[in-house]
Amino acid sequence: GAVVSQHPSWVICKSGTSVKIECRSLDFQATTMFWYRQFPKQSLMLMATSNEGSKATYEQGVEKDKFLINHASLTLSTLTVTSAHPEDSSFYICSARTTLAGVSYNEQFFGPGTRLTVL
Amino acid sequence: GENVEQHPSTLSVQEGDSAVIKCTYSDSASNYFPWYKQELGKRPQLIIDIRSNVGEKKDQRIAVTLNKTAKHFSLHITETQPEDSAVYFCAASNTGTASKLTFGTGTRLQVTL
Repeated sequence: GAVVSQHPSWVICKSGTSVKIECRSLDFQATTMFWYRQFPKQSLMLMATSNEGSKATYEQGVEKDKFLINHASLTLSTLTVTSAHPEDSSFYICSARTTLAGVSYNEQFFGPGTRLTVL
Repeated sequence: GENVEQHPSTLSVQEGDSAVIKCTYSDSASNYFPWYKQELGKRPQLIIDIRSNVGEKKDQRIAVTLNKTAKHFSLHITETQPEDSAVYFCAASNTGTASKLTFGTGTRLQVTL
């Protein structure tokens, strides 16, 4: 149980184009989803937190107009990198957390990641 | 906000030896401390976690200790094997709907034959 998928697993795009990454919880309802970015040989940096049906909360320094997050259902969140540039090339990882009986569980279940390369 | 420091950044041990990775955190409200193993190009994999009401937890060759007073926690791997080679991250969070994980900087563990 607790499987999270991401699509695509990798994407190459031209500078100035937009790229959408999907994150799905396959066997549970994800009340909260998180988006991380990981540059080579670095740690995971949280970009934003999204709760189903509400606007995402972005971390300091993350441009909300550039990284559009939508969490329209309890099983799907999307991250759109708008007008991508080479410096946006990174490994993007989502995670999902569930709530049962009003209790928000700490454990996050991670997707396999999406490697974005912007030429 | 929370700040998590992790040491060492790299660690090389011989097969069969023990490995210890240490983390410190800054927010006394943090009460959940997971450890993740990440292989190159793959997702972080939860290997063990501990909550603040427990001082130590063990799962076969892996153990984690927590010192709330000093705000530090450690990962102990005994009888290391080549397949333990990976990058390990510690993290900390508090509870509640607004909680989020803050990750350490990672430790690259190399287990040599």
